[in-house]
Amino acid sequence: DAKTTQPTSMDCAEGRAANLPCNHSTISGNEYVYWYRQIHSQGPQYIIHGLKNNETNEMASLIITEDRKSSTLILPHATLRDTAVYYCIRGGSQGNLIFGKGTKLSVKP
Amino acid sequence: NAGVMQNPRHLVRRRGQEARLRCSPMKGHSHVYWYRQLPEEGLKFMVYLQKENIIDESGMPKERFSAEFPKEGPSILRIQQVVRGDSAAYFCASSQQQDGVSYEQYFGPGTRLTVT
Repeated sequence: DAKTTQPTSMDCAEGRAANLPCNHSTISGNEYVYWYRQIHSQGPQYIIHGLKNNETNEMASLIITEDRKSSTLILPHATLRDTAVYYCIRGGSQGNLIFGKGTKLSVKP
Repeated sequence: NAGVMQNPRHLVRRRGQEARLRCSPMKGHSHVYWYRQLPEEGLKFMVYLQKENIIDESGMPKERFSAEFPKEGPSILRIQQVVRGDSAAYFCASSQQQDGVSYEQYFGPGTRLTVT
Protein backbone atom coordinates (compact mmCIF):
# COMPACT_ATOMS: atom_id res chain seq x y z
CA ASP A 1 0.00 0.00 0.00
CA ALA A 2 1.64 3.17 -1.25
CA LYS A 3 -0.53 5.36 1.00
CA THR A 4 -0.42 8.17 -1.53
CA THR A 5 -2.89 9.02 -4.28
CA GLN A 6 -1.88 10.45 -7.62
CA PRO A 7 -3.70 10.93 -10.94
CA THR A 8 -2.99 8.12 -13.35
CA SER A 9 -1.88 10.39 -16.17
CA MET A 10 -1.41 14.01 -17.12
CA ASP A 11 -0.47 15.95 -20.23
CA CYS A 12 1.58 19.12 -20.36
CA ALA A 13 2.62 21.36 -23.23
CA GLU A 14 6.32 21.76 -23.78
CA GLY A 15 7.66 24.91 -22.13
CA ARG A 16 4.75 25.18 -19.72
CA ALA A 17 4.81 24.37 -16.02
CA ALA A 18 3.80 20.84 -15.05
CA ASN A 19 1.98 20.64 -11.72
CA LEU A 20 1.69 17.11 -10.37
CA PRO A 21 -0.54 16.66 -7.33
CA CYS A 22 -0.28 14.05 -4.61
CA ASN A 23 -2.58 13.25 -1.73
CA HIS A 24 -1.08 11.82 1.46
CA SER A 25 -3.81 12.57 3.97
CA THR A 26 -2.64 10.00 6.55
CA ILE A 27 0.98 11.08 6.61
CA SER A 28 2.53 11.06 10.07
CA GLY A 29 4.57 13.85 11.61
CA ASN A 30 7.98 12.39 10.94
CA GLU A 31 7.36 11.17 7.41
CA TYR A 32 8.93 12.97 4.50
CA VAL A 33 7.42 13.39 1.05
CA TYR A 34 9.73 12.17 -1.73
CA TRP A 35 9.36 12.54 -5.47
CA TYR A 36 11.07 10.26 -7.95
CA ARG A 37 10.59 9.72 -11.64
CA GLN A 38 11.25 6.82 -13.96
CA ILE A 39 11.95 7.53 -17.59
CA HIS A 40 11.00 4.56 -19.74
CA SER A 41 12.66 1.55 -18.10
CA GLN A 42 15.62 3.35 -16.55
CA GLY A 43 16.37 3.38 -12.83
CA PRO A 44 14.23 5.79 -10.80
CA GLN A 45 15.68 9.27 -10.50
CA TYR A 46 15.47 11.25 -7.28
CA ILE A 47 13.88 14.67 -7.77
CA ILE A 48 13.20 16.33 -4.44
CA HIS A 49 11.90 15.73 -0.94
CA GLY A 50 10.51 17.75 1.95
CA LEU A 51 9.00 17.56 5.41
CA LYS A 52 7.05 20.74 6.12
CA ASN A 53 8.53 23.62 4.18
CA ASN A 54 8.40 24.17 0.47
CA GLU A 55 11.57 23.09 -1.28
CA THR A 56 13.24 24.05 -4.54
CA ASN A 57 16.23 22.66 -6.38
CA GLU A 58 17.57 22.75 -9.90
CA MET A 59 15.01 20.23 -11.10
CA ALA A 60 11.76 21.18 -9.45
CA SER A 61 9.81 22.80 -6.64
CA LEU A 62 7.82 21.00 -3.99
CA ILE A 63 4.85 22.71 -2.41
CA ILE A 64 3.50 21.04 0.75
CA THR A 65 0.20 22.20 2.23
CA GLU A 66 0.24 23.50 5.77
CA ASP A 67 -1.66 20.46 7.06
CA ARG A 68 0.76 18.22 5.10
CA LYS A 69 -2.09 16.20 3.64
CA SER A 70 -1.13 16.95 0.07
CA SER A 71 1.70 18.27 -2.03
CA THR A 72 2.42 19.42 -5.58
CA LEU A 73 5.54 18.86 -7.61
CA ILE A 74 6.20 21.67 -10.06
CA LEU A 75 8.42 21.35 -13.12
CA PRO A 76 8.66 24.99 -14.10
CA HIS A 77 9.41 24.58 -17.81
CA ALA A 78 8.62 21.08 -18.94
CA THR A 79 10.58 19.61 -21.84
CA LEU A 80 10.00 16.47 -23.88
CA ARG A 81 12.68 14.76 -21.79
CA ASP A 82 10.50 15.20 -18.71
CA THR A 83 8.06 12.62 -20.05
CA ALA A 84 8.14 9.92 -17.39
CA VAL A 85 6.23 8.26 -14.58
CA TYR A 86 6.39 10.43 -11.46
CA TYR A 87 6.11 8.83 -8.04
CA CYS A 88 5.11 10.58 -4.84
CA ILE A 89 6.30 8.55 -1.85
CA ARG A 90 6.04 9.07 1.89
CA GLY A 91 8.76 7.71 4.07
CA GLY A 92 10.44 7.90 7.44
CA SER A 93 14.05 8.53 8.27
CA GLN A 94 15.16 5.06 7.30
CA GLY A 95 14.06 2.10 5.32
CA ASN A 96 12.46 1.30 2.08
CA LEU A 97 10.46 3.39 -0.37
CA ILE A 98 6.97 2.16 -1.22
CA PHE A 99 6.22 2.95 -4.85
CA GLY A 100 2.62 3.28 -6.02
CA LYS A 101 1.51 3.48 -9.63
CA GLY A 102 2.56 7.11 -10.03
CA THR A 103 1.46 9.67 -12.60
CA LYS A 104 2.41 9.17 -16.21
CA LEU A 105 3.32 12.65 -17.44
CA SER A 106 3.35 13.18 -21.18
CA VAL A 107 4.96 16.40 -22.36
CA LYS A 108 3.74 17.28 -25.82
CA PRO A 109 5.29 19.63 -28.39
CA ASN B 1 31.46 11.03 -8.42
CA ALA B 2 30.29 7.81 -10.00
CA GLY B 3 26.71 6.86 -9.40
CA VAL B 4 25.33 3.52 -8.30
CA MET B 5 26.72 0.79 -10.51
CA GLN B 6 25.03 -2.49 -11.27
CA ASN B 7 26.24 -5.43 -13.27
CA PRO B 8 25.49 -7.18 -15.36
CA ARG B 9 22.99 -4.94 -17.09
CA HIS B 10 21.35 -7.91 -18.77
CA LEU B 11 21.40 -11.49 -17.57
CA VAL B 12 19.88 -14.56 -19.19
CA ARG B 13 19.48 -17.74 -17.20
CA ARG B 14 17.78 -21.05 -17.86
CA ARG B 15 15.28 -22.34 -15.36
CA GLY B 16 17.03 -23.93 -12.40
CA GLN B 17 20.26 -21.94 -12.72
CA GLU B 18 21.55 -19.36 -10.27
CA ALA B 19 21.57 -15.61 -10.86
CA ARG B 20 23.98 -13.23 -9.12
CA LEU B 21 23.37 -9.52 -9.36
CA ARG B 22 25.94 -7.02 -8.15
CA CYS B 23 25.58 -3.49 -6.88
CA SER B 24 28.28 -0.98 -6.01
CA PRO B 25 26.85 1.96 -4.05
CA MET B 26 27.82 5.56 -4.56
CA LYS B 27 31.03 6.61 -2.88
CA GLY B 28 30.40 7.42 0.75
CA HIS B 29 27.11 5.54 0.91
CA SER B 30 26.84 2.72 3.40
CA HIS B 31 23.20 1.73 2.89
CA VAL B 32 21.97 -0.41 0.02
CA TYR B 33 18.43 -1.28 -1.03
CA TRP B 34 17.20 -3.77 -3.62
CA TYR B 35 13.93 -3.39 -5.52
CA ARG B 36 12.26 -5.55 -8.16
CA GLN B 37 10.10 -4.36 -11.01
CA LEU B 38 8.03 -6.97 -12.83
CA PRO B 39 6.97 -6.17 -16.40
CA GLU B 40 4.36 -3.40 -16.51
CA GLU B 41 4.35 -3.07 -12.72
CA GLY B 42 5.76 -0.69 -10.13
CA LEU B 43 8.89 -1.18 -8.06
CA LYS B 44 8.64 -3.39 -5.01
CA PHE B 45 11.07 -3.22 -2.11
CA MET B 46 13.00 -6.41 -1.40
CA VAL B 47 15.77 -5.83 1.13
CA TYR B 48 17.73 -3.12 2.94
CA LEU B 49 21.32 -3.71 4.01
CA GLN B 50 24.17 -1.96 5.70
CA LYS B 51 27.72 -3.26 5.64
CA GLU B 52 27.63 -6.85 6.92
CA ASN B 53 24.05 -6.44 8.21
CA ILE B 54 20.58 -7.07 6.87
CA ILE B 55 18.36 -4.33 8.30
CA ASP B 56 15.02 -5.16 6.67
CA GLU B 57 14.27 -8.15 4.43
CA SER B 58 10.50 -7.97 4.66
CA GLY B 59 10.14 -7.82 0.88
CA MET B 60 12.31 -10.82 0.08
CA PRO B 61 10.65 -14.05 -1.03
CA LYS B 62 11.13 -16.65 1.67
CA GLU B 63 12.91 -19.15 -0.54
CA ARG B 64 15.66 -19.02 -3.17
CA PHE B 65 16.50 -15.32 -2.62
CA SER B 66 19.33 -13.99 -0.50
CA ALA B 67 21.31 -10.77 -0.25
CA GLU B 68 24.56 -9.68 1.30
CA PHE B 69 26.65 -6.54 1.61
CA PRO B 70 30.11 -7.61 2.74
CA LYS B 71 32.68 -5.39 4.41
CA GLU B 72 34.60 -5.26 1.16
CA GLY B 73 33.10 -5.39 -2.31
CA PRO B 74 29.67 -4.93 -3.83
CA SER B 75 26.31 -5.97 -2.53
CA ILE B 76 25.09 -9.23 -4.07
CA LEU B 77 21.52 -10.33 -4.70
CA ARG B 78 21.47 -14.05 -5.30
CA ILE B 79 18.59 -16.01 -6.78
CA GLN B 80 18.88 -19.77 -6.70
CA GLN B 81 17.03 -22.15 -9.01
CA VAL B 82 15.48 -19.37 -11.04
CA VAL B 83 11.99 -19.72 -12.47
CA ARG B 84 10.29 -17.78 -15.27
CA GLY B 85 8.46 -15.64 -12.74
CA ASP B 86 11.80 -14.22 -11.59
CA SER B 87 12.18 -12.43 -14.93
CA ALA B 88 12.19 -8.75 -14.00
CA ALA B 89 14.31 -5.65 -13.65
CA TYR B 90 16.22 -5.54 -10.38
CA PHE B 91 17.25 -2.11 -9.15
CA CYS B 92 19.72 -1.27 -6.46
CA ALA B 93 19.74 2.04 -4.59
CA SER B 94 22.11 3.53 -2.05
CA SER B 95 21.97 6.29 0.52
CA GLN B 96 24.13 7.96 3.12
CA GLN B 97 24.13 6.83 6.71
CA GLN B 98 20.81 7.49 8.35
CA ASP B 99 21.27 8.48 12.03
CA GLY B 100 17.65 9.49 12.18
CA VAL B 101 18.01 11.92 9.29
CA SER B 102 16.25 11.37 6.02
CA TYR B 103 18.57 10.89 3.08
CA GLU B 104 17.43 10.30 -0.46
CA GLN B 105 18.16 7.06 -2.28
CA TYR B 106 19.99 7.03 -5.58
CA PHE B 107 19.24 4.24 -8.01
CA GLY B 108 21.40 2.29 -10.38
CA PRO B 109 20.48 1.45 -13.98
CA GLY B 110 19.16 -1.97 -13.06
CA THR B 111 19.83 -5.55 -14.10
CA ARG B 112 17.31 -7.09 -16.45
CA LEU B 113 17.00 -10.78 -15.71
CA THR B 114 15.42 -13.04 -18.28
CA VAL B 115 14.73 -16.66 -17.40
CA THR B 116 14.24 -18.97 -20.37
